[in-house]
Amino acid sequence: AQSVTQLDSQVPVFEEAPVELRCNYSSSVSVYLFWYVQYPNQGLQLLLKYLSGSTLVKGINGFEAEFNKSQTSFHLRKPSVHISDTAEYFCAVSGLTGANNLFFGTGTRLTVIP
Amino acid sequence: DAMVIQNPRYQVTQFGKPVTLSCSQTLNHNVMYWYQQKSSQAPKLLFHYYDKDFNNEADTPDNFQSRRPNTSFCFLDIRSPGLGDAAMYLCATSRDRGNEQYFGPGTRLTVT
Repeated sequence: AQSVTQLDSQVPVFEEAPVELRCNYSSSVSVYLFWYVQYPNQGLQLLLKYLSGSTLVKGINGFEAEFNKSQTSFHLRKPSVHISDTAEYFCAVSGLTGANNLFFGTGTRLTVIP
Repeated sequence: DAMVIQNPRYQVTQFGKPVTLSCSQTLNHNVMYWYQQKSSQAPKLLFHYYDKDFNNEADTPDNFQSRRPNTSFCFLDIRSPGLGDAAMYLCATSRDRGNEQYFGPGTRLTVT
């Protein structure tokens, strides 16, 4: 079985400052990892994904994430945030076998302060 | 643009009155999912279709049903909505199980 932990429910950060949103997962099998962003009253939009290969993954809107197998982490980073990055961010994992359903973390609310 | 479309975006229904939410996709994906998302929570998977094969999550109430008449469309039927069913309902698709999922904008359901 898979599970995802997002330790920070809320992260306030000043505009143009760097940010890291933490995600840890547990799984007994190899996994795919995803980060999604959700703006108010909208669906989820895929930011980036890790399937295999390079552990540093670049996504849209200047975000990147690093897969660390030994620490079972997939933290999301951005070197300089904008007001428009204010949103809810969800980390998700799916297994390579079995039902392959997406398991979501509880989300991190990123608030960018002017 | 290929996309996932949900109608309506906002739905108000009365307690106990059946309601149907619709989802369509132009991605020609095999898998379609329905999620329920309550305020400040992660999306919760209700069920999914892999092609015509229906897969219900163990804890999805019987009050929730789904239909997929063809590849493009999928419906969520709530037979007798209760106040606790007020939520955002998200439809998603993926090419295959385990692939990234593409989400629609959601339908916000209010039960009065």
